[in-house]
This record gives sequence, C-alpha cells and structure tokens, in this order.
Amino acid sequence: QVQLVESGGGVVQPGRSLRLSCAGSGFTFSNYGMHWVRQAPGKGLEWVAVIWHDGSNKYYADSVKGRFTISRDNSKNTVYLQMNSLRGDDTAVYYCSPNFDFWGQGILVTVSS
Amino acid sequence: DVVMTQSPLSLPVTLGQPASISCRSSQSLVYSDGNTYLNWFQQRPGQSPRRLIYKVSNRDSGVPDRFSGSGSGTDFTLKINRVEAEDAGVYYCMQGTHWPNTFGQGTKLEIK
Repeated sequence: QVQLVESGGGVVQPGRSLRLSCAGSGFTFSNYGMHWVRQAPGKGLEWVAVIWHDGSNKYYADSVKGRFTISRDNSKNTVYLQMNSLRGDDTAVYYCSPNFDFWGQGILVTVSS
Repeated sequence: DVVMTQSPLSLPVTLGQPASISCRSSQSLVYSDGNTYLNWFQQRPGQSPRRLIYKVSNRDSGVPDRFSGSGSGTDFTLKINRVEAEDAGVYYCMQGTHWPNTFGQGTKLEIK
C-alpha cells in the first residue's frame, strides 16, 4: 500500500527557515521524480519544485527560486524541502507526490509573527 | 511561464447530467518527445488532490469511465458523462511539459 507521510510543518516567523520531509513507502521510491505542491488556505494548487529520480535535475517555481531547495535521500525513501527566508505568502498546505501518481495528506506551514 | 486558463470557474450540475470543463494553455503543450503532458486532478472537500487523467486522455487506475479527457496543442477538455454526488469538488488542469509546471485556477463543481 502506497504511503506518503509529510512532516516538519508548523508555525514559523517571517524570515526564518523550515525543512519539510516526505517519507514514501509501498512503491519503488528511487524510480520516481518527486514533486512538492502547495495550497494556500482557500486557494488553488501551486506547483513548487521537482527533483529527478536520481537527484540529477531540479526545477523550482519562480516564487520560491533562490529560497527553497529540494533534495532527496533514496536510501531513506525521503524527499526534503528546505525553505529559507519564509514569507507570509508561503503559508500553505504542502503536498509531496511521486510524478503526481499519489499524494500525501499534506502538511501545514504557517508563516506568522 | 505557461498560463493555464480554466472555464468555467464554477459549474453547478444536476445529478445524472453531463459536465464539461475547458482548459487552455498559453503555449503548446506538445513536448519534444511527441507527448502532451496535460493532467487533470480532482480535489474533494477536505481531501488531497487525486489525478484522474494523464497525458490528455489516459484515465488513472480506479477512475470511473464516466470521466474522459480530450484535446490537443493548447485546448483541452475534461468531460463527465453523468455526474454523481461523489464528483463534487474542485477540478484542476496542470501542464507538465514546460518548467515550471503550472496549474489552472480550478473549477468548482457543485451538485444542484
């Protein structure tokens, strides 16, 4: 059974950092590119970042480029999203997904003073 | 960035009636490999998104055959043959051809 479990969310002050993790199981993690997608409260879906199955390529949305870094550890079946210089408009539920085939339950990040 | 424009943004539908959602992209979504990476997602209230259709017209496993996708180039459509109560929610198109990937604004389907 496929499972994706996001963790690391919470409340953080503007300008601070947070690292999200997403642990996958029930599928061959190392075969999949991994995406992060976010959804601000009451808003639509926004694609955030992707990392190739082997970590060789990464792409980012313009809104997070230079502030967020995606990485993965295939030995731990985990993808990460390091979020620096957080702003209020980064407040959202963050989802991880392997090639959009499956989705995690999401993790809430709130940026507020 | 490629802009994805959905219409309508709100879609009231009577149970058992058909529904159709349009999605237009600001650039062609045909990739250099010949594929068109256009997905459709459903998000029911309080749930994570779920992909229904990939590469324009391919239904994901477990998706009822009343859902169908069509289109080419920059113009795409999601159709539901006979709407059921469980179809209520928000539908998004998303292009995976160009970086960054981009979503449409979403279409809220409500059952009348």
